[in-house]
Amino acid sequence: NAGVMQNPRHLVRRRGQEARLRCSPMKGHSHVYWYRQLPEEGLKFMVYLQKENIIDESGMPKERFSAEFPKEGPSILRIQQVVRGDSAAYFCASSPLQGLDTEAFFGQGTRLTVV
Amino acid sequence: SQQGEEDPQALSIQEGENATMNCSYKTSINNLQWYRQNSGRGLVHLILIRSNEREKHSGRLRVTLDTSKKSSSLLITASRAADTASYFCATEDSGGSNYKLTFGKGTLLTVNP
Repeated sequence: NAGVMQNPRHLVRRRGQEARLRCSPMKGHSHVYWYRQLPEEGLKFMVYLQKENIIDESGMPKERFSAEFPKEGPSILRIQQVVRGDSAAYFCASSPLQGLDTEAFFGQGTRLTVV
Repeated sequence: SQQGEEDPQALSIQEGENATMNCSYKTSINNLQWYRQNSGRGLVHLILIRSNEREKHSGRLRVTLDTSKKSSSLLITASRAADTASYFCATEDSGGSNYKLTFGKGTLLTVNP
């Protein structure tokens, strides 16, 4: 039973390019959460999705960021026109039911570097 | 402002010693969780303690929760070099959603062999 899979593990983008981060939840999990970790900081909530629905995107920057979790395939976090400040580690977590108030399963993260 | 604040920011001990990390928070919570993150890696869930619990054990880990002081501590006994990592506390606010965990900045633990 593979864990939460994120790819790529490392991503380098030039300013102005697009970054697409993928997250495949654990088998049987239909709830996905994205968190961002800036250097020397803890994780901060970005967005919560169920299949084909965005439930809560209150932690997402208003511009350039979007997320989706289609019926088939992984969840995608998309950052358009990246800037240096987007450099961070982006983590995905999944759960079988809503909530991370039991054991939470986080992926290994995607480390985005904007040059 | 940070909901969870770990203390100390960094801790260096010798193998075999005990390590204690503290976490303070500001709001009422449903539960508090501790995670470990090895350098450049993902998060590993260590233990969850609910607001009506005062102490919990898991192997060499002991977590306490004092809701009156809004604080928690993580004790790692008989530390090993492999325990070297950053440790984060994360809270689920009682007035919030159970998928929004608020993380502190972490304590960097170094266990010297």
